[in-house]
Amino acid sequence: GAGVSQSPRYKVAKRGQDVALRCDPISGHVSLFWYQQALGQGPEFLTYFQNEAQLDKSGLPSDRFFAERPEGSVSTLKIQRTQQEDSAVYLCASSLGGGGHQETQYFGPGTRLLVL
Amino acid sequence: GQQVMQIPQYQHVQEGEDFTTYCNSSTTLSNIQWYKQRPGGHPVFLIQLVKSGEVKKQKRLTFQFGEAKKNSSLHITATQTTDVGTYFCRGSGGSNYKLTFGKGTLLTVNP
Repeated sequence: GAGVSQSPRYKVAKRGQDVALRCDPISGHVSLFWYQQALGQGPEFLTYFQNEAQLDKSGLPSDRFFAERPEGSVSTLKIQRTQQEDSAVYLCASSLGGGGHQETQYFGPGTRLLVL
Repeated sequence: GQQVMQIPQYQHVQEGEDFTTYCNSSTTLSNIQWYKQRPGGHPVFLIQLVKSGEVKKQKRLTFQFGEAKKNSSLHITATQTTDVGTYFCRGSGGSNYKLTFGKGTLLTVNP
């Protein structure tokens, strides 16, 4: 595709509800990243995939957060039993090679999650 | 862990004035990237600096990487309303090469 796409663009969840956020990276991009961006803050790293392998998940804030990329393209970030502090914009980014964090990243529009 | 500090947090200028944002790290950076995020938008890559003392220009934007590779700056000459947004630096350093975003500088321009 022309760019990174994410869905849904907006999600309102009740506290305790599970949510799933989808990311479609640029076709052929090896690396995929998830970030959490709170209002007025910079993006905070959550996790990194190289193809289908999750090489770094050190940024996931708790075991309620789970990410997968089973076929090395589309990725899903799942948040179980959402809490109010999970409210943020979740950004997905992809990069062409397997250079990890060093490469230029192309960001999707984000999913704005609001937990009530 | 490694932290990348950015100042100022906010900057409001009149159109035509210059603008500078600074990025500082407590550790030596292997490289630094700059991104721009328009209000309601997503970060868009601007440039990457790798060499000590490197200076790169993109039209009215000038990017510098310090000699010690611990700081960087972005300077905009004669700002325009289209420059409005948050400018983030993103630095890499340490053994795991993990890049950390600064908190960003929000630039607003009065026409």
